[in-house]
Amino acid sequence: DTGVSQDPRHKITKRGQNVTFRCDPISEHNRLYWYRQTLGQGPEFLTYFQNEAQLEKSRLLSDRFSAERPKGSFSTLEIQRTEQGDSAMYLCASSLDRDRQQFFGPGTRLTVL
Amino acid sequence: AQRVTQPEKLLSVFKGAPVELKCNYSYSGSPELFWYVQYSRQRLQLLLRHISRESIKGFTADLNKGETSFHLKKPFAQEEDSAMYYCALSGHNQGGKLIFGQGTELSVKP
Repeated sequence: DTGVSQDPRHKITKRGQNVTFRCDPISEHNRLYWYRQTLGQGPEFLTYFQNEAQLEKSRLLSDRFSAERPKGSFSTLEIQRTEQGDSAMYLCASSLDRDRQQFFGPGTRLTVL
Repeated sequence: AQRVTQPEKLLSVFKGAPVELKCNYSYSGSPELFWYVQYSRQRLQLLLRHISRESIKGFTADLNKGETSFHLKKPFAQEEDSAMYYCALSGHNQGGKLIFGQGTELSVKP
């Protein structure tokens, strides 16, 4: 296990298209977090899962965004009807439980034209 | 409101000079504070957390609850310390989610 992985690493899409990102956490990590990072800013929390349950969603996550974690393993983040303002780095992190260190993936860079 | 403030976007020092990256936070309660680091072309990784009271790569950080600060310090900077540094907090009963500051880019010149 080489750590948290994310796919794709880069995505370029046209405004209005739907995109889906995947995150594979470290095995046996029951917590999975999604963050978004725009240029010059720190990561901003979007949502998190404990196993398959989505326990919190940020107000940043409009209804165009949806995240799932079926069977408590990998997670997907889907953005529908993308807008130019969605252009950002989307980061995934996992941890063994809430009090443990979060390990980050390399991120998916989304560019909406 | 929960907030982490890093007042400096860029900090440039010469090798061997002391370094202090500032972090102030706003949180009603007792949060856990962290410093994360991102080296060029690498992923974000934990540098240290206040509850462990460790010194990692020569860096230390002391939580000052009175001043609501968690400044990162190193007595003698090395060129390999050049990176983006993010201060973050996690509140109680918040599922472990992290609130990050804007980050400070540290540049250590030879």
